[in-house]
Amino acid sequence: NAGVTQTPKFRILKIGQSMTLQCTQDMNHNYMYWYRQDPGMGLKLIYYSVGAGITDKGEVPNGYNVSRSTTEDFPLRLELAAPSQTSVYFCASSPGANQPQHFGDGTRLSIL
Amino acid sequence: AQSVTQLGSHVSVSEGALVLLRCNYSSSVPPYLFWYVQYPNQGLQLLLKYTSAATLVKGINDFEAEFKKSETSFHLTKPSAHMSDAAEYFCAVSENNNDMRFGAGTRLTVKP
Repeated sequence: NAGVTQTPKFRILKIGQSMTLQCTQDMNHNYMYWYRQDPGMGLKLIYYSVGAGITDKGEVPNGYNVSRSTTEDFPLRLELAAPSQTSVYFCASSPGANQPQHFGDGTRLSIL
Repeated sequence: AQSVTQLGSHVSVSEGALVLLRCNYSSSVPPYLFWYVQYPNQGLQLLLKYTSAATLVKGINDFEAEFKKSETSFHLTKPSAHMSDAAEYFCAVSENNNDMRFGAGTRLTVKP
C-alpha cells in the first residue's frame, strides 16, 4: 500500500548544483502536484500535471522544471540550486481536480 | 484567486478540552474546502472535506467542520482533545480548478 513515494528523504546540495527529486504513485491518479513548505508559510504549489504529457506552472515555478512521461512518475528538477530553494518538498496526487490529495512524506533539501 | 487565512499559528488546549481551529476563506465561486493534518516528518493527511452536500462535515478521529457561507468560514472542531491530536493542521480551498491554496497552518499542542 505504497501510495505516493518520494526519494530521497534528505539531501544537501551546494549552490549551483542540480538534482532531481523523484515522485511516484501507484494509485493510477491522473493529477500530480509538487509543493514546497516553508516554516509559517503553508504549502506553495510549484508545478502540477493533469495527465501524462501535460504540465503547468503553479504559484512559485521559478527555478524548477518538471516532466510527466508516465501516469506514475512526476520528477521535479532543480537546475541551478540556490539558497532560497532550501525547503521541504512534497509531492501529491489526486484522482481529479478538487479531489483530496494524497501526499508523500517529503524531501528535506538544504542548499549551502 | 482563492485564499485561506488560518487565525492563530499556535493553539494550546488541555487534554479533554474542546479543540477549535479557525479558517476563513476567500473565493469567487462556491468553494471546495479541506482540512489536512500533518504529523512530524510526514506528509499531509486528509481529515475532512466540504463539497456542498452538507454544511456540517464529519471527518476522521471525531473532527468536524462547519461551512458558514455568510461568515466565509470553515472552522475545525473536536469535542475532546487527545494527546495524539498534537500536530499541525492546514485548511485548504479549491475553486473548481487545479490550484489548491493552503493556509499557513495552526500548530496544536495538547497539554496533559
